[in-house]
Amino acid sequence: EPEVTQTPSHQVTQMGQEVILRCVPISNHLYFYWYRQILGQKVEFLVSFYNNEISEKSEIFDDQFSVERPDGSNFTLKIRSTKLEDSAMYFCASSEHSGANVLTFGAGSRLTVL
Amino acid sequence: GESVGLHLPTLSVQEGDNSIINCAYSNSASDYFIWYKQESGKGPQFIIDIRSNMDKRQGQRVTVLLNKTVKHLSLQIAATQPGDSAVYFCAERGAFNKFYFGSGTKLNVKP
Repeated sequence: EPEVTQTPSHQVTQMGQEVILRCVPISNHLYFYWYRQILGQKVEFLVSFYNNEISEKSEIFDDQFSVERPDGSNFTLKIRSTKLEDSAMYFCASSEHSGANVLTFGAGSRLTVL
Repeated sequence: GESVGLHLPTLSVQEGDNSIINCAYSNSASDYFIWYKQESGKGPQFIIDIRSNMDKRQGQRVTVLLNKTVKHLSLQIAATQPGDSAVYFCAERGAFNKFYFGSGTKLNVKP
């Protein structure tokens, strides 16, 4: 069964450092998303991406965040200068089309900012 | 803004019993409501969805009920199995496929 893969599974970084989280969405999916989940809290929407541009972003997704699809397979989330409160599990997801309720999530990348 | 929340943080049931997980929502404009399951160490996994103009939808061992009058959503799992142990999130779909998740209910299935 096709799956969304994320790397790294866990990253520890110092406050102020840049972090790049990588995702390989399902190959025939056209819509890509990043969500995050702070420990013990709900899953929160960050950004959606289609046709090489951001289609929607939340208030969490400020200037410190960026997304990119550098080639035909990878979808990345960059945090330019990490803060302690960025510590969370970051989930990448993809879907076939815009009206899909079935988002396929990856297993997540846990980010710990010290 | 939208608000999706759950009534109970933890639910313990005996294997074989039926489980009912509840959720309240606040945004009446959502066109779909969805249930996701999250097992330990994994990302959320789609279970079932229901369109806002429906009251009930059945899947394999799962049923979702939508009561728009009181803005309430529930997930019923028949004959709960140990493999059903997970955190269950309700979510509502907003514009641009932006999903709003609730805070989750942990289901513990006792053998």
